Amino acid sequence: AQKVTQAQTEISVVEKEDVTLDCVYETRDTTYYLFWYKQPPSGELVFLIRRNSFDEQNEISGRYSWNFQKSTSSFNFTITASQVVDSAVYFCALSAASNTGKLIFGQGTTLQVKP
Amino acid sequence: NAGVTQTPKFRVLKTGQSMTLLCAQDMNHEYMYWYRQDPGMGLRLIHYSVGEGTTAKGEVPDGYNVSRLKKQNFLLGLESAAPSQTSVYFCASSYSVSGANVLTFGAGSRLTVL
Repeated sequence: AQKVTQAQTEISVVEKEDVTLDCVYETRDTTYYLFWYKQPPSGELVFLIRRNSFDEQNEISGRYSWNFQKSTSSFNFTITASQVVDSAVYFCALSAASNTGKLIFGQGTTLQVKP
Repeated sequence: NAGVTQTPKFRVLKTGQSMTLLCAQDMNHEYMYWYRQDPGMGLRLIHYSVGEGTTAKGEVPDGYNVSRLKKQNFLLGLESAAPSQTSVYFCASSYSVSGANVLTFGAGSRLTVL
């Protein structure tokens, strides 16, 4: 069975602090994809990144970076120099290669960035 | 380019009433999905469709029915609403790329069942 765990329910930081959101997944598939989505207070879901199981290179996009480690089944997300606009719920999700795109979501982590 | 549009955005029902949520996408996507979002539980898949005229059950299908008579539309029906179906419902669509699909989500529909 596939499962995604985001153990951090809520995180509160002060602006300009760095913050890491944890994501641990379980799957028996050898080919799979991992995703992060952002849900700002307005409620829509915004795609941030997709990673396939064969690519363990870390990725950086501006203030965002992702650390994928198959050895620990983790796909963690770091925001550097956080800003108030980063306040949102962040979801990690998993999809098997043969799964017609069905996403298994984690519980979500609510990030509050205070000015 | 509207993307994925859900109607209605808000609805209040009484227990036992029926209703239909409409999802429309204008991206010619093959795959469409209905998820529900509940506090502390993330998003859970209700039903999905891999093409016009097809539907399949997801993780939490009980109490819901779906139809996809046209490629661009995916309807979610509640025949007899229950308070446990109070939730935020999200529709999503994607093009046909195996497993690597990036889902485009609608804005959500908030349903309250009294």
